[in-house]
Amino acid sequence: AQSVTQPDIHITVSEGASLELRCNYSYGATPYLFWYVQSPGQGLQLLLKYFSGDTLVQGIKGFEAEFKRSQSSFNLRKPSVHWSDAAEYFCAVGAAGTYKYIFGTGTRLKVLA
Amino acid sequence: DAGVIQSPRHEVTEMGQEVTLRCKPISGHNSLFWYRQTMMRGLELLIYFNNNVPIDDSGMPEDRFSAKMPNASFSTLKIQPSEPRDSAVYFCASSLRADQPQHFGDGTRLSIL
Repeated sequence: AQSVTQPDIHITVSEGASLELRCNYSYGATPYLFWYVQSPGQGLQLLLKYFSGDTLVQGIKGFEAEFKRSQSSFNLRKPSVHWSDAAEYFCAVGAAGTYKYIFGTGTRLKVLA
Repeated sequence: DAGVIQSPRHEVTEMGQEVTLRCKPISGHNSLFWYRQTMMRGLELLIYFNNNVPIDDSGMPEDRFSAKMPNASFSTLKIQPSEPRDSAVYFCASSLRADQPQHFGDGTRLSIL
């Protein structure tokens, strides 16, 4: 079955600390992978995407993610978190030629001053 | 660049009333999606249009829901009659092609009393 798992529902970090949000997927085809961020009252904003090639991808707002095929993972990282990063983060998987995304259930990030 | 534009941002209405949500996709995008987001069910794809044609409406909950895309720059999602369980945030998203990154609007927060 196709699925995306974000095992952490909530994460709390201190401002300036490093961050890693986990995403694991189960998908039959070679996946396209995405991370989105949703601030309160806003839509989902695309942080970064992986289609092929270099498995370490850089995104906006200082985020990066690494695709590890052997672990079926696409974890999101940021070396130093800012208070404005507090939001909900969604991992999603798609594939070439398909319009359907499978979204994870989200990880809500809280940042302590 | 203008993103996906949705209106209204908030809608409060009484049970039984007709509700119409509107979406203007990003110019040049040929794929349009309507999603519903709730705490219980997360993000659900309601309907997908390609080149203004509905391709997949399997996510539309029931006959009370209908969607149209009369041209490349406008789509509507209609609920008639509305029920309290329809209360949710409804998102419109568009993408350049079906399997390309989806760009989301800020959503319509719908409350049915």
